[in-house]
Amino acid sequence: DIQMTQFPSAMSASVGDRVTITCRASQGVNNFLAWFQQKPGKAPKRLIYAASSLQSGVPSRFSGSGSGTEFTLTISSLQLEDFATYYCLQHSSFPFTFGGGTKVEIK
Amino acid sequence: QVDLVESGGGVAQPGRSLRLSCAASGFTFSTYAMHWVRQAPGKGLEWVAVISYDGSNKYYAASVKGRFTISRDNSKNTLSLQMNSLRTEDTAVYYCSRGFSFQSPGEYFDYWGPGTLVTVSS
Repeated sequence: DIQMTQFPSAMSASVGDRVTITCRASQGVNNFLAWFQQKPGKAPKRLIYAASSLQSGVPSRFSGSGSGTEFTLTISSLQLEDFATYYCLQHSSFPFTFGGGTKVEIK
Repeated sequence: QVDLVESGGGVAQPGRSLRLSCAASGFTFSTYAMHWVRQAPGKGLEWVAVISYDGSNKYYAASVKGRFTISRDNSKNTLSLQMNSLRTEDTAVYYCSRGFSFQSPGEYFDYWGPGTLVTVSS
């Protein structure tokens, strides 16, 4: 099984900050990597697919990069509505696996 | 518009069974794979199972293999998850999500239902 190591697990940031979240795969997943945002009590929302493609309707301050085993989600200027938990997902091979999540809190 | 709505959650005793359903609308259900993903209280997301568009291929997480069965009825636009031999660690919110389609390869995990809570407790 492919293990997805996501870090940091939690962080405090201020509005306007640049935020970077990383996911590292235990083996190559090509670009079969997606990023999700989840708010309490809600279903996950896809932000990025194919490692770097922005989901329609998602603000351009969100971007994804990487390939192979290391991937990054960047929020260029954190907004109030971005305080949430973020997850990566590899869908290169079964079983699909999520990263452990990154909780972005207000500083 | 695409809509996914789960149902069937509730409280079950360890060792008992429960069957979840996911009603799909707003897209051509029969051309998409479908997934179940769960989230234990206060924990992260865990992928559970997937079924191909025609039901011919199914894959499971090791934690549920042999106990859970994913199925679909394309005539009713419905996805199901039969959960047998339930354990306390199966307690979670269960989400259904749209999977891959050959016709629209970029559309996967782009829609999710609101989830249904399963509680396994004696």
